[in-house]
Amino acid sequence: QVQLQESGPGLVRPSETLSLTCTVSGGSIGSYYWSWVRQPPGGGLEWIGYSHYSGTTNYNPSLKSRVTISVDKSKNEFSLKLNSVTATDTAVYFCARRYGDRPFDYWGQGTLVIVSS
Amino acid sequence: AIQMTQSPSSLSASVGDRVTITCRASQGIRNDLAWYQQKPGKAPKLLIFAASSLQSGVPSRFSGSGSGTDFTITISSLQPEDFATYYCVQDYNYPWTFGQGTKVENK
Repeated sequence: QVQLQESGPGLVRPSETLSLTCTVSGGSIGSYYWSWVRQPPGGGLEWIGYSHYSGTTNYNPSLKSRVTISVDKSKNEFSLKLNSVTATDTAVYFCARRYGDRPFDYWGQGTLVIVSS
Repeated sequence: AIQMTQSPSSLSASVGDRVTITCRASQGIRNDLAWYQQKPGKAPKLLIFAASSLQSGVPSRFSGSGSGTDFTITISSLQPEDFATYYCVQDYNYPWTFGQGTKVENK
């Protein structure tokens, strides 16, 4: 059974970089597209982008200038970096896997990141 | 970006009711649409992909239909565990975009 687990700081200061890692267990990180999705408190879902271990990436244009997603196959994990954060980046961040026609079939439990001084 | 509009935004229903939620895309997306269920404090759960394919392990009371711009998810007989928020998402083109969600509440 594939499991995803997010980790990283729960509090980030404005203008700094949000960094999260998603560790994949129960399966290989290869051959899949790995996404980050976020959800502000009480709000809806927003796709941030994805990365493939081959290096292929695709980002939401609304965040593209600030975001980097990368896969580390040796550690079976992938990461999110979002720089120059503001309070509007406060959200629960989920990692998720794409499989075939399924945009996100496996999800992490989500981690709340608050941007505040 | 393609806009996904769900209706209604919320609804009240009782156990045993037939419930239908609609998702409309701002342009044609073939059948590149999935439906998710989310409960408070939890990650979304995949119910339907490719507009009408039932994800493994999902009860058969859930069904999806549609193509192009108009899609629906139907719960044939609402169960207590189905009270949740439902989201559609298109992966026809980038950026992948979600509907705003439909909250199904207990009448």
